[in-house]
Amino acid sequence: AQSVTQLDSHVSVSEGTPVLLRCNYSSSYSPSLFWYVQHPNKGLQLLLKYTSAATLVKGINGFEAEFKKSETSFHLTKPSAHMSDAAEYFCVVTPQGGGGTSYGKLTFGQGTILTVHP
Amino acid sequence: DAGVTQSPTHLIKTRGQQVTLRCSPKSGHDTVSWYQQALGQGPQFIFQYYEEEERQRGNFPDRFSGHQFPNYSSELNVNALLLGDSALYLCASSPSESSSYNEQFFGPGTRLTVL
Repeated sequence: AQSVTQLDSHVSVSEGTPVLLRCNYSSSYSPSLFWYVQHPNKGLQLLLKYTSAATLVKGINGFEAEFKKSETSFHLTKPSAHMSDAAEYFCVVTPQGGGGTSYGKLTFGQGTILTVHP
Repeated sequence: DAGVTQSPTHLIKTRGQQVTLRCSPKSGHDTVSWYQQALGQGPQFIFQYYEEEERQRGNFPDRFSGHQFPNYSSELNVNALLLGDSALYLCASSPSESSSYNEQFFGPGTRLTVL
């Protein structure tokens, strides 16, 4: 079984300040973890992915995330927010190859809406 | 590369009707997954198709069915529509050789409204 908990439903920051979006996961198998972003009325865009290589993962648009197995966390960060970062962000878990009945299935968190103030 | 495409973009149906949504995967991808995203929620996995067979299924009733064609495109069919079926339906594709990481590429979605 697998699940994702995004600890904040809404995060509000000022432009130029750091962004932290928190995600905890649960998985019966070694996980692959992703962060997706969804702008209003748009599809989902992959920001970054963790696939058991480096624990610090760099993505697009200056975002990065750190996989911490001991804390079962995969928090998303960005040093300086931009107005264009305002969107909804989803943390996603899926088992790596051979993950039983969950194989092929992405499990999404409930989402975190990021608001960026000028 | 056109990426994942879906049609139609919007659809309005009434309760009890049937609907078919269509998806063309990204070039080079042979696996298609469907997700339902209700308003204010994260996407929920419906099912996944590979080699024209349903490979995985989420917790959705049999009213939800699908098909994959030899060119890897896919359809999602929903029968006996309920008000609660109103949602954004997302299609995602992936190449089978990346299956160890299961990275999926999403289309823009079809917004279904059931009245």
